[in-house]
Amino acid sequence: GAGVSQSPSNKVTEKGKDVELRCDPISGHTALYWYRQSLGQGLEFLIYFQGNSAPDKSGLPSDRFSAERTGGSVSTLTIQRTQQEDSAVYLCASSLSPATNEKLFFGSGTQLSVL
Amino acid sequence: AQSVTQPDIHITVSEGASLELRCNYSYGATPYLFWYVQSPGQGLQLLLKYFSGDTLVQGIKGFEAEFKRSQSSFNLRKPSVHWSDAAEYFCAVVGQAGTALIFGKGTTLSVSS
Repeated sequence: GAGVSQSPSNKVTEKGKDVELRCDPISGHTALYWYRQSLGQGLEFLIYFQGNSAPDKSGLPSDRFSAERTGGSVSTLTIQRTQQEDSAVYLCASSLSPATNEKLFFGSGTQLSVL
Repeated sequence: AQSVTQPDIHITVSEGASLELRCNYSYGATPYLFWYVQSPGQGLQLLLKYFSGDTLVQGIKGFEAEFKRSQSSFNLRKPSVHWSDAAEYFCAVVGQAGTALIFGKGTTLSVSS
């Protein structure tokens, strides 16, 4: 596609429910990143994929968070038993290769609100 | 692991005045450094990056940044700020190859007339 696409753009859920956030990277981009942006917290790194594997998942805040990537393309971030503190904008980014050499292209994000 | 600090949460600059946004990094070797900008309602956009070589790098929209190893800094500068520069600015660092890009908490720039 022309850019990184994320869906849904907005998600409102009740505390305790599970949510799935989707990211479609730019075609041909092998590296994919998930970040979380909260007010005053900047961009918090969650997980990074190279192809279908995740060399760095150190940023996932708890075992309620998981992510997968299939076919070296689409990625899904799943949050189980959502809590109010999970409310944030979840950003996905992709790049041709790991970030040392290539700039990241960001999606518009998913605004998650947990009531 | 690498980390980055942006000491200023919010800065206000008069239109036409010069700008400097501070960024300090922590990494044992020479890192790869970036500045990104996020304008209201828009996604993140790369302003400039430093990998090696000349320590003064030029970016888009008239921005530049200087890498100073002795100070572990990578400050962003612009000689004359325009109202359209009002945005949130993020410094970011990558350490060793194959690791993720780590962002600072950002500096919000307001431009007064």
